[in-house]
Amino acid sequence: GAVVSQHPSWVICKSGTSVKIECRSLDFQATTMFWYRQFPKQSLMLMATSNEGSKATYEQGVEKDKFLINHASLTLSTLTVTSAHPEDSSFYICSARTSSYEQYFGPGTRLTVT
Amino acid sequence: DAKTTQPTSMDCAEGRAANLPCNHSTISGNEYVYWYRQIHSQGPQYIIHGLKNNETNEMASLIITEDRKSSTLILPHATLRDTAVYYCIVRAPWGSGYSTLTFGKGTMLLVSP
Repeated sequence: GAVVSQHPSWVICKSGTSVKIECRSLDFQATTMFWYRQFPKQSLMLMATSNEGSKATYEQGVEKDKFLINHASLTLSTLTVTSAHPEDSSFYICSARTSSYEQYFGPGTRLTVT
Repeated sequence: DAKTTQPTSMDCAEGRAANLPCNHSTISGNEYVYWYRQIHSQGPQYIIHGLKNNETNEMASLIITEDRKSSTLILPHATLRDTAVYYCIVRAPWGSGYSTLTFGKGTMLLVSP
């Protein structure tokens, strides 16, 4: 199956700083990628849909100025959490969609804001 | 997309078959049933999907009732590594593609020795 990677797998940052998470489709091109967030003992919640070469579409309640998404190539999307706060600590998971519209998920990035 | 209902948790003995049910009584005729699972602290993993007919692959079998209002995911010989949260998702095609995957609470399957 298609492989999606994320980097880093975990990150600790101080409150007020920004952190960037990368999502790559390794063996296919993805015009569309998705970013999900998962808090402990909860399900995945879609944050935004990222389309290559255009602005991301954010779900209701997700601040687009806080969670910056860039999808500059067909194999790379990045999520930057700006001015991170402890409540942003979560498990961030990206997903990439193939040309046959199947979604494959990355391994996730554990963000801890201290 | 149609809503799904799954039991919160299930137990299964290692080596036995695990049968995970899912109700999707409001499913539309063109909506697919997808199953993913999430092992703790990992990203979701695709298992199988189907429209009307039963499906089988190297991981599992999917049995869809004739009226399509419910389905069952079968892991024929569960192992400890199958312990995970299993998500049943109904997915509608829209336009030229498919709707984004929306996750419910899923079923926590615990496989014990």
